[in-house]
Amino acid sequence: DVQVVESGGGLVQPGGSLRLSCAASRFTFSSDSMNWVRQAPGKGLEWVSYISSSSNTIYYADSVKGRFTISRDNAKNSLYLQMNSLRDEDTAVYYCARTLGSYKYYGMDVWGQGTTVTVSS
Amino acid sequence: EIVLTQSPATLSLSPGQRATLSCRASQSVSSYLAWYQQKPGQAPRLLIYDASNRATGIPARFSGSGSGTDFTLTINSLEPEDFAVYYCQQHSNWPPITFGQGTRLEIK
Repeated sequence: DVQVVESGGGLVQPGGSLRLSCAASRFTFSSDSMNWVRQAPGKGLEWVSYISSSSNTIYYADSVKGRFTISRDNAKNSLYLQMNSLRDEDTAVYYCARTLGSYKYYGMDVWGQGTTVTVSS
Repeated sequence: EIVLTQSPATLSLSPGQRATLSCRASQSVSSYLAWYQQKPGQAPRLLIYDASNRATGIPARFSGSGSGTDFTLTINSLEPEDFAVYYCQQHSNWPPITFGQGTRLEIK
């Protein structure tokens, strides 16, 4: 089955850094744009960042702009999220999700199980 | 930023009944709206894209309608596995991509 698997979550102090990874398999990763979406405990979904297939186009939510950096390595079928200057409000489950649609954004059709980031002193 | 408002917050129904979930956008999103289902402890699952197109593998009892600012997700003849939280998401004027706050569909 097509799948993505996140890793790299953990407990970090406020102001600290963490790098999340997402390993893709059984689809042509280099052809698909990708996203990070997060969900704070007991809350709804929040889109975090988007990266196009070739990394030419990158977007961030205002809440993480200037602190988070999305990147990808198509040779390794991997997506990353470098998170710096972490805050309590960044505590969430972080999902990696594939964009449905090569030339148009239809939604997110493949999701991982998520990796948990806890920011606390 | 486009704000999506879902109603009701919670919907209590019995298996076999029809569920009607609403999503209203603060400005027109044309048909650039998707619906997701999320069960406890699981990742979201794409149900509907472009307002009315079922994603791969989604049963026919799920249907979406609407355009502009008002959208509906209808689930006909509820199955026990349909009780979950449902989110709408717009990708018309982005970034940012935005989600509604969710509707919890619970067993009555």
